Amino acid sequence: DTEVTQTPKHLVMGMTNKKSLKCEQHMGHRAMYWYKQKAKKPPELMFVYSYEKLSINESVPSRFSPECPNSSLLNLHLHALQPEDSALYLCASSPRGDGNSPLHFGNGTRLTVT
Amino acid sequence: SQQGEEDPQALSIQEGENATMNCSYKTSINNLQWYRQNSGRGLVHLILIRSNEREKHSGRLRVTLDTSKKSSSLLITASRAADTASYFCATDPRGAQKLVFGQGTRLTINP
Repeated sequence: DTEVTQTPKHLVMGMTNKKSLKCEQHMGHRAMYWYKQKAKKPPELMFVYSYEKLSINESVPSRFSPECPNSSLLNLHLHALQPEDSALYLCASSPRGDGNSPLHFGNGTRLTVT
Repeated sequence: SQQGEEDPQALSIQEGENATMNCSYKTSINNLQWYRQNSGRGLVHLILIRSNEREKHSGRLRVTLDTSKKSSSLLITASRAADTASYFCATDPRGAQKLVFGQGTRLTINP
């Protein structure tokens, strides 16, 4: 079990659907991250929130919309996705968003776009 | 593009043997981290080594860092079946304030 909780574990959605991925941590960490991971590939950074402000957007298409309602919660809103967006979406947190501390990962949401 | 390249891409050894994985990176870094990922799960942090450190130990893990060669190695001693997983190095390119992962090594421990 991890201290970063992601829901749902699995999600199947059509290309016209709107859905959201949720992530929660209660470790008092002030940085939260979204990574995308395709099969047999490394995680690729999508977004970083530091002190509830978006600090890094790795040129992610606008069909992915992150939201950080408070320091414990992170959402990823999905709209009009493409089949190639099917992947494991990983949330992580760290004490600070400076790249100098370990990341704590959730177990991910396995997303399938049909 | 990814910062780190790992080799080998895949490694299969017998239980009890030692496993060594290597990571090379391109730019100056503040630290290098190693993570483990079991199939279909999230990544688990193993060890962090700072750029002014040369070697670090944690249980059966030994990590080395050579900043002049921009490379690191992870040694797992006395391997167990439970060590079967993918192992990733991750670096923070100086000034980037983010972690970038290498391609990973898939380790299989045969009983």
